[in-house]
Amino acid sequence: GENVEQHPSTLSVQEGDSAVIKCTYSDSASNYFPWYKQELGKGPQLIIDIRSNVGEKKDQRIAVTLNKTAKHFSLHITETQPEDSAVYFCAASRVRSNYQLIWGAGTKLIIKP
Amino acid sequence: DGGITQSPKYLFRKEGQNVTLSCEQNLNHDAMYWYRQDPGQGLRLIYYSQIVNDFQKGDIAEGYSVSREKKESFPLTVTSAQKNPTAFYLCASSNGNTIYFGEGSWLTVV
Repeated sequence: GENVEQHPSTLSVQEGDSAVIKCTYSDSASNYFPWYKQELGKGPQLIIDIRSNVGEKKDQRIAVTLNKTAKHFSLHITETQPEDSAVYFCAASRVRSNYQLIWGAGTKLIIKP
Repeated sequence: DGGITQSPKYLFRKEGQNVTLSCEQNLNHDAMYWYRQDPGQGLRLIYYSQIVNDFQKGDIAEGYSVSREKKESFPLTVTSAQKNPTAFYLCASSNGNTIYFGEGSWLTVV
């Protein structure tokens, strides 16, 4: 079946440095790619998303890049802060098919003071 | 406040019991979902509903049941047939592509 691979499973970076999380998807018809942040004991929250007609999207310290040819997309967090510590999930789907969201396994991001 | 409310936050179930997790949304979303999350793991879809009075099985529906009698409500029943129900359960709703999650419910078998 379709799947999304997410790497790394754990990422530890020094406060102020950048963090990059990468996801690879298998369904070439996927055209919607959201990223969610989940804090301990809470539900995931959407932090940024990108559609296949765009190669990059930025929102303050967060950016997502998409390479449709290689079928991978990445989350970039710059100037990391302690509050960025959380688990991050990527997902992929075809537009208008939320139930077909295929989730990555998650990346635990640790920001070291 | 607009959002998704799940209750209870913590629930303990005895062996052989059925329990029901509540999920209410006031976002006027048509679609609602239930996910299961095991410690340190990703999200697995249990059931979803795209419209009132209709719902579909997800990847791990065995041992679970749902109803969708009202647009705002999508309760999940964990039946005694679910052999390993201890997990974190997440309800979600969507208005298209963006999915919004509730705060989750912890279910523990005692």
